[in-house]
Amino acid sequence: EPEVTQTPSHQVTQMGQEVILRCVPISNHLYFYWYRQILGQKVEFLVSFYNNEISEKSEIFDDQFSVERPDGSNFTLKIRSTKLEDSAMYFCATQGTGVYEQFFGPGTRLTVL
Amino acid sequence: KNEVEQSPQNLTAQEGEFITINCSYSVGISALHWLQQHPGGGIVSLFMLSSGKKKHGRLIATINIQEKHSSLHITASHPRDSAVYICAVPNTGNQFYFGTGTSLTVIP
Repeated sequence: EPEVTQTPSHQVTQMGQEVILRCVPISNHLYFYWYRQILGQKVEFLVSFYNNEISEKSEIFDDQFSVERPDGSNFTLKIRSTKLEDSAMYFCATQGTGVYEQFFGPGTRLTVL
Repeated sequence: KNEVEQSPQNLTAQEGEFITINCSYSVGISALHWLQQHPGGGIVSLFMLSSGKKKHGRLIATINIQEKHSSLHITASHPRDSAVYICAVPNTGNQFYFGTGTSLTVIP
């Protein structure tokens, strides 16, 4: 069964460093999402991406964040200069055309020291 | 203001018990996800439903679109069902609103 994969599973970084989180979507899916879950809190929407551009973004997704699909397969989330409060689990999700169901990746746990 | 409300927040059950988790929502369109989050953090989609009822093994999900309410039932609960169960509703832009989750512990 096709699945969404994410790398790395866990990333530890120093405050102020740039991080790139990677997601490999299910091959025929065209809609991509990033979500964040701070420890003990609910999952929050960050951004949606379709046709090589951002469809929608939340207020969390400020100028420190960017997304791209650099090579037609990977879907990346970049945090330019990490802050302590960026420590969270980051989930990628992908969706096919004409359906509402989203498939989630296993998540990347980001720890900012 | 919570667009998606779940109850209960925490639930402890004895193995074999019938479990119900409820979700009410004030936003979103006519579809709803039930997700399962394991202790390690990974999220698995259990159901996506837009009407009526769906069943998968011991899991049953129902939805009433008019009342904006859904329930997730687990029959013959087992310790391996212990997880956080999350209700999520997409808006017109497919952005999901998530509930805070129900933490279920099934005791042997």
